[in-house]
This record gives sequence, structure tokens and C-alpha cells, in this order.
Amino acid sequence: AQSVTQLGSHVSVSEGALVLLRCNYSSSVPPYLFWYVQYPNQGLQLLLKYTSAATLVKGINGFEAEFKKSETSFHLTKPSAHMSDAAEYFCAVSDQTGNQFYFGTGTSLTVIP
Amino acid sequence: GAVVSQHPSWVICKSGTSVKIECRSLDFQATTMFWYRQFPKQSLMLMATSNEGSKATYEQGVEKDKFLINHASLTLSTLTVTSAHPEDSSFYICSASNRAGLGEAFFGQGTRLTVV
Repeated sequence: AQSVTQLGSHVSVSEGALVLLRCNYSSSVPPYLFWYVQYPNQGLQLLLKYTSAATLVKGINGFEAEFKKSETSFHLTKPSAHMSDAAEYFCAVSDQTGNQFYFGTGTSLTVIP
Repeated sequence: GAVVSQHPSWVICKSGTSVKIECRSLDFQATTMFWYRQFPKQSLMLMATSNEGSKATYEQGVEKDKFLINHASLTLSTLTVTSAHPEDSSFYICSASNRAGLGEAFFGQGTRLTVV
């Protein structure tokens, strides 16, 4: 079975500061891991995904995440926050078939001007 | 990336009526579709998983007679909220995956349902 835990339901950063959103996973099989962003009243947009290739994954909008098996983590980072990054972020894990997909509880990112 | 279209984006209906939400994969064949419900400021709650041509698998606590899911083709799944009540008001999101998608699911833009 797979699951994800997102530490911190709310994160606030200043514009230009580092963004770090935490995600830890649990999986009985090699996982595929994803980060999604959701803006108000919209669906989810894929930021990046890890599918057992490079452990450091670069995504859209300057985000990246590193898969660390020893720490069972897949934290999302961005060197410099922009006002437009304010949104809800979800970490998700799936098995490799795409038949099971589990989301974390989400982290709301606020960017302070 | 693959595109999933969900329709309608917004719907308001009266209590007791039924509402159908469509989820279409526009440029790929979706072997599996998922329906989620999202309450304000909360994560997505998986309601059911459907594979084309077979009955949907509902998560515990989800009433299958109230939330009817049909996945008649590889590009279309529908969720019908029957005899809607105000407590059914929510944001509903579908996603679709295929076996070639490396375990990735592609999401629709969501449907805001308000029952008055």
C-alpha cells in the first residue's frame, strides 16, 4: 500500500525566499511520485514527477524535487518564491500501474510581498 | 501532456434533481478513470475508480446508488449525482490514466456543484 504525508498544511515565505514543501511517502513497491499545484476553483496541474530515473527532478515554473529513498522523502523546492506561486500543493504517490493514486493532505503556500 | 476535459465547470441545481458530470480524455485512451471530491481547503478524496467496460469500484463510505459512475468508452466517464442535496455541494475532479502513462494520472479542471 502507498501513502504520503505532507508536513505543514500552511507555509508562508517572503517573495524571493526559498520555498520548501515537505513530502514523505510510504510504499511497498518502488513508487512513482508527483507534485501537483492547484489554483482556486481549478483542477490539478502537474509540476513534476519521479518515475525511477534521475533522483533530482526538475519541473515547471522553476520547481524541483529530489527523491531520497533512504529518507522516503520527495520534498519540493524552488530557490526564489514568486507571488504567482501562491497556491495549494499536493504530493501524490502511485504504484507503477497507474491504478492506485494517493494524495497528501496538501500544503497551502502563501507568498508575502 | 495528455488533456482531460471535464464538463461542466460550474453547475447549480435544485435539491432532488440529478446532475451529470462528464470527463473526457481528449488525446489518449483512458483505461482507468478516477473521481474525486474535494471539500474547501482539503485534499482530494477518492470516491471511485472505474475501468472501461466494467463496474466502478467505490471507496468505503461512498454511496454507489447516489454517485453513479459510467465508463462506457475509453475516452468518456460520467458521474451522476442522483437526488442531489445541499450536502452534496462540492468540487468534483476526475482524472484519467492509461498504462502507457507511467503511472501518471491527468486531471480535469473540476466541476463546482452547488445544490440549492
